Amino acid sequence: QKEVEQNSGPLSVPEGAIASLNCTYSDRGSQSFFWYRQYSGKSPELIMSIYSNGDKEDGRFTAQLNKASQYVSLLIRDSQPSDSATYLCAVCLSGGSNYKLTFGKGTLLTVNP
Amino acid sequence: NAGVTQTPKFRILKIGQSMTLQCTQDMNHNYMYWYRQDPGMGLKLIYYSVGAGITDKGEVPNGYNVSRSTTEDFPLRLELAAPSQTSVYFCASNLRGFSGGGNIQYFGAGTRLSVL
Repeated sequence: QKEVEQNSGPLSVPEGAIASLNCTYSDRGSQSFFWYRQYSGKSPELIMSIYSNGDKEDGRFTAQLNKASQYVSLLIRDSQPSDSATYLCAVCLSGGSNYKLTFGKGTLLTVNP
Repeated sequence: NAGVTQTPKFRILKIGQSMTLQCTQDMNHNYMYWYRQDPGMGLKLIYYSVGAGITDKGEVPNGYNVSRSTTEDFPLRLELAAPSQTSVYFCASNLRGFSGGGNIQYFGAGTRLSVL
């Protein structure tokens, strides 16, 4: 099993819809989870971090963490064409150190006007 | 502040050539990283450093070398370039570790390298 897995996509949603992106991880002891957005040809930028079970909301973005099931998700409400990008899930795995991130392959999201 | 600066932005190498990818940050961050990203893939860690004079291998270190003589600079050296090293390379830095919250990893703009 790969350490960090994301639904491969691509994911296409209409403008105004909710986009749901999922990520599972193998290390049950992991504590820190991140969502990065990467526009085509650009570098990743952090959009959400989450450390505790439950939901964390920031504007149109909600991160959800379930450590018992070892998954973390990102919901984007009222999706806009400007949200079209690849979304990378990153996990600080407990088996390593607290200063290394393991990234999933990313999910390409397209929001259609 | 410039953040994390990488040079060059693009480079084409011939097989067997060598080059150094430059990375500098002006945020006084202790931790610096080199990642590569192949098309349709996530980021894979090549090397990282937790402070000046300290470096360690990541997931895919073969064919690369690094040094960290100052807090600001973390160059990546490619020796004997091979087509398998064609990729986009990102340098990143953060102030401290990822546990406990409040930490952000900042990325440079990337270097697109082709080995032909």
